[in-house]
Amino acid sequence: AQKVTQAQTEISVVEKEDVTLDCVYETRDTTYYLFWYKQPPSGELVFLIRRNSFDEQNEISGRYSWNFQKSTSSFNFTITASQVVDSAVYFCALLLGRGGGYQKVTFGTGTKLQVIP
Amino acid sequence: NAGVTQTPKFRVLKTGQSMTLLCAQDMNHEYMYWYRQDPGMGLRLIHYSVGEGTTAKGEVPDGYNVSRLKKQNFLLGLESAAPSQTSVYFCASSYDEGTAAFFGQGTRLTVV
Repeated sequence: AQKVTQAQTEISVVEKEDVTLDCVYETRDTTYYLFWYKQPPSGELVFLIRRNSFDEQNEISGRYSWNFQKSTSSFNFTITASQVVDSAVYFCALLLGRGGGYQKVTFGTGTKLQVIP
Repeated sequence: NAGVTQTPKFRVLKTGQSMTLLCAQDMNHEYMYWYRQDPGMGLRLIHYSVGEGTTAKGEVPDGYNVSRLKKQNFLLGLESAAPSQTSVYFCASSYDEGTAAFFGQGTRLTVV
């Protein structure tokens, strides 16, 4: 069975602090994709990053960085020097695609991040 | 660039009424999805389509039907609305399997 666990329901940090959002996934498939999405208070979902199961390189994009570790089935997201605009709900997602039109998508329950000025 | 557009944005239905939610994308994406978002449950896949004329069931398909008659449109139908279908519905599209999905703005549906 597929599962995505975001154990942190809500996190509050003071502006300029660093914060890490945890994502732990479960799957028996060897080919899968992991995603992070941001949902600001306005409600839309914004794609942040995609990672396939064969690419364990960490990635940095400005103040955002992602740490993918297959050994611990984790795909954690770190925001450095947080800003008020980072306040949002962040979702981690797991996609299994086996070809032939099969799609199995599982989202975590989200982590609400509040950045206090 | 419109991206993914959902109509309507808000709707209130009475139990037993029917309605159709429309999703349109202008990115020539093959894959389209309908999700529902409920508090504390993240997003759950209702139905999806991997190309024009195809549909498939997701995690929570009961009570919903879909159609993909044109590549750019993906319709979600509720034949007999129930209060349990009160939710925020999101449509999304992606170019291919495993690529990033682009989401619409969401439709807030209340069934009373």
